[in-house]
Amino acid sequence: AQTVTQSQPEMSVQEAETVTLSCTYDTSESDYYLFWYKQPPSRQMILVIRQEAYKQQNATENRFSVNFQKAAKSFSLKISDSQLGDAAMYFCAYRRNGANSKLTFGKGITLSVRP
Amino acid sequence: GAGVSQSPSNKVTEKGKDVELRCDPISGHTALYWYRQRLGQGLEFLIYFQGNSAPDKSGLPSDRFSAERTGESVSTLTIQRTQQEDSAVYLCASSLIREQFFGPGTRLTVL
Repeated sequence: AQTVTQSQPEMSVQEAETVTLSCTYDTSESDYYLFWYKQPPSRQMILVIRQEAYKQQNATENRFSVNFQKAAKSFSLKISDSQLGDAAMYFCAYRRNGANSKLTFGKGITLSVRP
Repeated sequence: GAGVSQSPSNKVTEKGKDVELRCDPISGHTALYWYRQRLGQGLEFLIYFQGNSAPDKSGLPSDRFSAERTGESVSTLTIQRTQQEDSAVYLCASSLIREQFFGPGTRLTVL
Protein backbone atom coordinates (compact mmCIF):
# COMPACT_ATOMS: atom_id res chain seq x y z
CA ALA A 1 0.00 0.00 0.00
CA GLN A 2 1.05 3.52 -0.66
CA THR A 3 1.85 5.79 2.27
CA VAL A 4 2.62 9.49 2.49
CA THR A 5 4.50 10.91 5.47
CA GLN A 6 4.71 14.49 6.59
CA SER A 7 6.74 14.46 9.77
CA GLN A 8 6.62 18.18 10.59
CA PRO A 9 3.26 19.11 12.14
CA GLU A 10 3.94 22.85 12.16
CA MET A 11 6.27 25.38 10.59
CA SER A 12 6.61 29.13 10.73
CA VAL A 13 8.17 31.54 8.27
CA GLN A 14 8.79 35.27 8.22
CA GLU A 15 6.95 37.19 5.53
CA ALA A 16 9.06 37.50 2.34
CA GLU A 17 11.32 34.62 3.42
CA THR A 18 11.55 31.12 1.93
CA VAL A 19 10.26 27.95 3.58
CA THR A 20 10.50 24.28 2.62
CA LEU A 21 7.88 21.71 3.59
CA SER A 22 8.97 18.07 3.61
CA CYS A 23 7.20 14.96 2.37
CA THR A 24 8.23 11.37 1.82
CA TYR A 25 6.20 8.58 0.31
CA ASP A 26 6.38 4.87 -0.27
CA THR A 27 5.14 3.02 -3.32
CA SER A 28 6.06 0.09 -5.52
CA GLU A 29 4.57 1.79 -8.56
CA SER A 30 6.73 3.51 -11.16
CA ASP A 31 4.06 5.67 -12.78
CA TYR A 32 2.36 8.10 -10.45
CA TYR A 33 1.64 11.71 -9.60
CA LEU A 34 2.52 13.75 -6.54
CA PHE A 35 0.64 16.83 -5.39
CA TRP A 36 0.73 19.58 -2.83
CA TYR A 37 -2.66 20.88 -1.71
CA LYS A 38 -3.33 23.97 0.39
CA GLN A 39 -6.25 24.05 2.83
CA PRO A 40 -7.05 27.44 4.38
CA PRO A 41 -9.55 27.76 7.25
CA SER A 42 -12.35 27.83 4.68
CA ARG A 43 -11.69 24.05 4.25
CA GLN A 44 -11.43 24.42 0.47
CA MET A 45 -8.66 22.16 -0.85
CA ILE A 46 -6.65 24.08 -3.43
CA LEU A 47 -4.16 22.39 -5.74
CA VAL A 48 -0.81 24.15 -5.42
CA ILE A 49 1.44 22.08 -7.66
CA ARG A 50 1.63 18.71 -9.43
CA GLN A 51 4.59 16.53 -10.36
CA GLU A 52 4.52 13.59 -12.75
CA ALA A 53 6.89 10.83 -11.67
CA TYR A 54 8.20 10.27 -15.19
CA LYS A 55 9.39 13.86 -15.46
CA GLN A 56 12.86 14.57 -14.14
CA GLN A 57 12.34 18.32 -14.17
CA ASN A 58 10.98 19.75 -10.95
CA ALA A 59 7.59 21.44 -11.27
CA THR A 60 7.31 25.19 -10.68
CA GLU A 61 4.28 27.42 -10.28
CA ASN A 62 5.17 31.05 -9.63
CA ARG A 63 6.49 31.24 -6.05
CA PHE A 64 6.00 27.49 -5.50
CA SER A 65 8.47 24.85 -6.58
CA VAL A 66 9.21 21.25 -5.68
CA ASN A 67 12.32 19.18 -5.12
CA PHE A 68 11.38 15.74 -6.42
CA GLN A 69 13.87 13.00 -5.57
CA LYS A 70 12.38 9.83 -7.05
CA ALA A 71 15.04 7.42 -5.81
CA ALA A 72 14.75 8.78 -2.29
CA LYS A 73 10.94 9.02 -2.58
CA SER A 74 11.05 12.57 -1.38
CA PHE A 75 8.84 15.45 -2.53
CA SER A 76 9.39 18.78 -0.79
CA LEU A 77 7.62 22.06 -1.46
CA LYS A 78 9.49 25.34 -1.47
CA ILE A 79 7.56 28.58 -1.03
CA SER A 80 9.55 31.67 -1.95
CA ASP A 81 8.74 35.24 -0.92
CA SER A 82 6.20 33.98 1.61
CA GLN A 83 3.01 36.00 1.91
CA LEU A 84 0.46 36.27 4.71
CA GLY A 85 -2.05 34.52 2.46
CA ASP A 86 0.16 31.45 2.33
CA ALA A 87 -0.76 30.62 5.92
CA ALA A 88 -2.75 27.37 5.79
CA MET A 89 -2.49 23.62 6.14
CA TYR A 90 -0.49 21.98 3.38
CA PHE A 91 -1.01 18.37 2.37
CA CYS A 92 1.24 16.20 0.30
CA ALA A 93 -0.65 13.61 -1.77
CA TYR A 94 0.08 10.66 -4.03
CA ARG A 95 -1.92 9.14 -6.84
CA ARG A 96 -0.92 6.29 -9.08
CA ASN A 97 -1.55 6.73 -12.77
CA GLY A 98 -4.55 5.01 -14.29
CA ALA A 99 -8.18 4.44 -13.48
CA ASN A 100 -9.56 4.41 -9.96
CA SER A 101 -6.86 6.72 -8.82
CA LYS A 102 -7.72 7.81 -5.35
CA LEU A 103 -5.49 10.30 -3.60
CA THR A 104 -3.46 9.17 -0.58
CA PHE A 105 -2.71 12.08 1.73
CA GLY A 106 -0.17 12.84 4.42
CA LYS A 107 -1.33 14.22 7.76
CA GLY A 108 -0.54 17.77 6.74
CA ILE A 109 1.55 20.60 8.07
CA THR A 110 0.30 23.88 9.49
CA LEU A 111 2.22 26.81 8.06
CA SER A 112 2.08 30.17 9.80
CA VAL A 113 3.50 33.35 8.30
CA ARG A 114 4.84 36.04 10.63
CA PRO A 115 4.37 39.64 9.48
CA GLY B 1 -17.80 27.83 -14.24
CA ALA B 2 -19.34 26.40 -11.10
CA GLY B 3 -17.15 24.29 -8.89
CA VAL B 4 -18.02 21.30 -6.74
CA SER B 5 -20.72 22.12 -4.24
CA GLN B 6 -21.70 20.28 -1.08
CA SER B 7 -24.62 20.55 1.27
CA PRO B 8 -25.19 21.10 4.06
CA SER B 9 -22.14 23.10 5.04
CA ASN B 10 -22.52 22.03 8.63
CA LYS B 11 -24.60 19.29 10.22
CA VAL B 12 -25.11 18.61 13.90
CA THR B 13 -26.88 15.40 14.79
CA GLU B 14 -27.50 13.17 17.74
CA LYS B 15 -25.83 9.82 18.18
CA GLY B 16 -27.89 7.08 16.54
CA LYS B 17 -29.53 9.29 13.93
CA ASP B 18 -29.03 8.87 10.17
CA VAL B 19 -27.52 11.67 8.08
CA GLU B 20 -27.34 12.31 4.35
CA LEU B 21 -24.65 14.46 2.75
CA ARG B 22 -24.89 15.73 -0.80
CA CYS B 23 -22.30 16.47 -3.46
CA ASP B 24 -22.84 18.22 -6.80
CA PRO B 25 -19.80 17.63 -9.02
CA ILE B 26 -18.53 19.82 -11.81
CA SER B 27 -20.67 19.25 -14.90
CA GLY B 28 -19.10 16.68 -17.23
CA HIS B 29 -16.77 15.18 -14.63
CA THR B 30 -17.07 11.42 -14.82
CA ALA B 31 -15.25 10.57 -11.59
CA LEU B 32 -16.44 11.42 -8.10
CA TYR B 33 -14.68 10.74 -4.81
CA TRP B 34 -15.66 11.02 -1.15
CA TYR B 35 -13.03 11.60 1.53
CA ARG B 36 -13.21 12.00 5.30
CA GLN B 37 -11.01 14.40 7.24
CA ARG B 38 -10.85 13.96 10.98
CA LEU B 39 -9.68 16.88 13.11
CA GLY B 40 -5.99 17.59 12.52
CA GLN B 41 -5.62 14.72 10.07
CA GLY B 42 -5.21 14.24 6.36
CA LEU B 43 -7.97 13.05 4.09
CA GLU B 44 -9.01 9.39 4.07
CA PHE B 45 -10.50 7.88 0.92
CA LEU B 46 -14.03 6.53 1.34
CA ILE B 47 -15.55 5.70 -2.04
CA TYR B 48 -15.06 6.34 -5.76
CA PHE B 49 -17.52 6.45 -8.65
CA GLN B 50 -16.49 6.34 -12.31
CA GLY B 51 -19.24 6.63 -14.87
CA ASN B 52 -21.46 3.55 -14.90
CA SER B 53 -18.81 1.24 -13.46
CA ALA B 54 -19.28 -0.42 -10.10
CA PRO B 55 -18.07 1.95 -7.36
CA ASP B 56 -14.92 1.28 -5.39
CA LYS B 57 -16.17 1.04 -1.81
CA SER B 58 -12.89 -0.16 -0.33
CA GLY B 59 -12.47 2.89 1.93
CA LEU B 60 -15.86 2.78 3.65
CA PRO B 61 -15.12 2.20 7.37
CA SER B 62 -18.24 0.20 8.19
CA ASP B 63 -21.54 -1.00 6.77
CA ARG B 64 -23.19 2.07 8.32
CA PHE B 65 -21.69 4.07 5.48
CA SER B 66 -23.12 3.97 1.97
CA ALA B 67 -23.14 6.22 -1.07
CA GLU B 68 -25.02 6.53 -4.30
CA ARG B 69 -24.51 8.44 -7.50
CA THR B 70 -27.08 9.04 -10.21
CA GLY B 71 -25.31 8.74 -13.56
CA GLU B 72 -22.65 11.43 -13.69
CA SER B 73 -24.48 13.88 -11.48
CA VAL B 74 -25.12 14.27 -7.79
CA SER B 75 -23.96 11.88 -5.13
CA THR B 76 -25.22 11.30 -1.61
CA LEU B 77 -23.23 9.83 1.26
CA THR B 78 -25.42 8.29 3.95
CA ILE B 79 -24.28 7.45 7.45
CA GLN B 80 -26.71 5.35 9.45
CA ARG B 81 -26.85 5.19 13.24
CA THR B 82 -24.19 7.87 13.59
CA GLN B 83 -21.50 7.51 16.24
CA GLN B 84 -19.33 10.19 17.83
CA GLU B 85 -16.29 8.92 15.93
CA ASP B 86 -18.10 9.82 12.69
CA SER B 87 -17.56 13.50 13.53
CA ALA B 88 -15.36 14.87 10.76
CA VAL B 89 -15.37 16.97 7.62
CA TYR B 90 -16.61 15.03 4.61
CA LEU B 91 -15.13 16.24 1.34
CA CYS B 92 -16.22 15.44 -2.15
CA ALA B 93 -14.07 15.77 -5.28
CA SER B 94 -14.77 15.36 -8.97
CA SER B 95 -12.38 14.71 -11.81
CA LEU B 96 -12.33 14.42 -15.58
CA ILE B 97 -8.80 13.24 -16.31
CA ARG B 98 -6.12 13.94 -13.71
CA GLU B 99 -6.92 16.76 -11.33
CA GLN B 100 -9.39 16.30 -8.54
CA PHE B 101 -11.37 19.41 -7.72
CA PHE B 102 -12.70 19.55 -4.19
CA GLY B 103 -15.88 20.94 -2.71
CA PRO B 104 -15.92 22.95 0.53
CA GLY B 105 -16.92 19.95 2.60
CA THR B 106 -19.61 19.21 5.14
CA ARG B 107 -18.64 19.41 8.79
CA LEU B 108 -20.51 16.68 10.66
CA THR B 109 -20.75 16.84 14.43
CA VAL B 110 -22.30 13.92 16.28
CA LEU B 111 -23.32 14.74 19.83
